[in-house]
Amino acid sequence: DSGVTQTPKHLITATGQRVTLRCSPRSGDLSVYWYQQSLDQGLQFLIQYYNGEERAKGNILERFSAQQFPDLHSELNLSSLELGDSALYFCASSARTGGNTEAFFGQGTRLTVV
Amino acid sequence: GESVGLHLPTLSVQEGDNSIINCAYSNSASDYFIWYKQESGKGPQFIIDIRSNMDKRQGQRVTVLLNKTVKHLSLQIAATQPGDSAVYFCAENILPYQKVTFGTGTKLQVIP
Repeated sequence: DSGVTQTPKHLITATGQRVTLRCSPRSGDLSVYWYQQSLDQGLQFLIQYYNGEERAKGNILERFSAQQFPDLHSELNLSSLELGDSALYFCASSARTGGNTEAFFGQGTRLTVV
Repeated sequence: GESVGLHLPTLSVQEGDNSIINCAYSNSASDYFIWYKQESGKGPQFIIDIRSNMDKRQGQRVTVLLNKTVKHLSLQIAATQPGDSAVYFCAENILPYQKVTFGTGTKLQVIP
């Protein structure tokens, strides 16, 4: 158990809909990262938050947004969903931003858009 | 754009043999590299990391080698065990940012 909790584990929704994925980082970790992993693909970095502020942005679509709350949990909002958004979405956390710090991953949320 | 790629998508190794998983990166500014292991149905798990001021780092049964001249990274697993079967990702980062870029991954299959 990495200590990172993601909910829900599975999500099935229709095209055009909006969903929210939730992540609770390890206790004390200030940084949260979101990644997308499509079938047989690598992990695509989406966005990073540190102590409530956006710190780095990757290939995140404009239809997607995220935030980190004062209690450090984070949510990834996906809207106007398309079939191609079906993927595993991982959240990871680490103790601080920058530096060679290890990131701990959650078990992921499997999103299926039908 | 910058990318991290792997030479082999699948590697089959006999149990007890050593495994070598290779990775090429293209961003010469990358200065921190990480290997992750992802078992089926689970999130990636940190294995070992190395900074660009080193060319070798050893852990328990694993060794990472970094050749900055040719932008190549390898993960060596000694005495491969069935539990090592997983997908292995190399990832690069440019410090102090934490915008890690992952490669496609190599699937390691251990033959009993």
